[in-house]
Amino acid sequence: AQSVTQLGSHVSVSEGALVLLRCNYSSSVPPYLFWYVQYPNQGLQLLLKYTSAATLVKGINGFEAEFKKSETSFHLTKPSAHMSDAAEYFCAVSATSGNTGKLIFGQGTTLQVKP
Amino acid sequence: EPEVTQTPSHQVTQMGQEVILRCVPISNHLYFYWYRQILGQKVEFLVSFYNNEISEKSEIFDDQFSVERPDGSNFTLKIRSTKLEDSAMYFCASKGGAGWQETQYFGPGTRLLVL
Repeated sequence: AQSVTQLGSHVSVSEGALVLLRCNYSSSVPPYLFWYVQYPNQGLQLLLKYTSAATLVKGINGFEAEFKKSETSFHLTKPSAHMSDAAEYFCAVSATSGNTGKLIFGQGTTLQVKP
Repeated sequence: EPEVTQTPSHQVTQMGQEVILRCVPISNHLYFYWYRQILGQKVEFLVSFYNNEISEKSEIFDDQFSVERPDGSNFTLKIRSTKLEDSAMYFCASKGGAGWQETQYFGPGTRLLVL
């Protein structure tokens, strides 16, 4: 069975500092991986996704993530945090069992950005 | 930009009452999903729907739950007799294609509180 683990339920950084949100996956087949962001009172918005075309994936708002098979990781990074990045971030894998492509989510990480 | 919408944004109901959560997926999408997030827990898959029938459902999706697409635009989730443990945020999602790499687009959610 596939699963996703996000290390750290809360991450706090200063404005301008590096953002690193960790995601590790478990999958017996090549995974399709997604990062979503949820701003207060809004739905889940896709930041980026890995579909095997390239291991370094660039997304919206300056975020990127690198797929590392050897480490079973797909960590999300941003070089310089902005106050507007404060939100909850979800890593997810598309389940390849069955044919519906349901998403299996990690626990989520709340990012706090301090001035 | 097309988006998934959900109504109501908040609903409070008494235990044992029926609730219907409504979603309008993106118009040319064919695959529809419901997920829920109990406070402090992961986003969990409930059910997927394609070609006017359920394509997959989770263990959570028991006989108290049902889905339908009554008019070609709305996608509803009904809980027949709500329980306290049904209190959660319910997200609707849709995607256009069948592939596991296809992006699911999420609505803003309905926060359900069962008293």
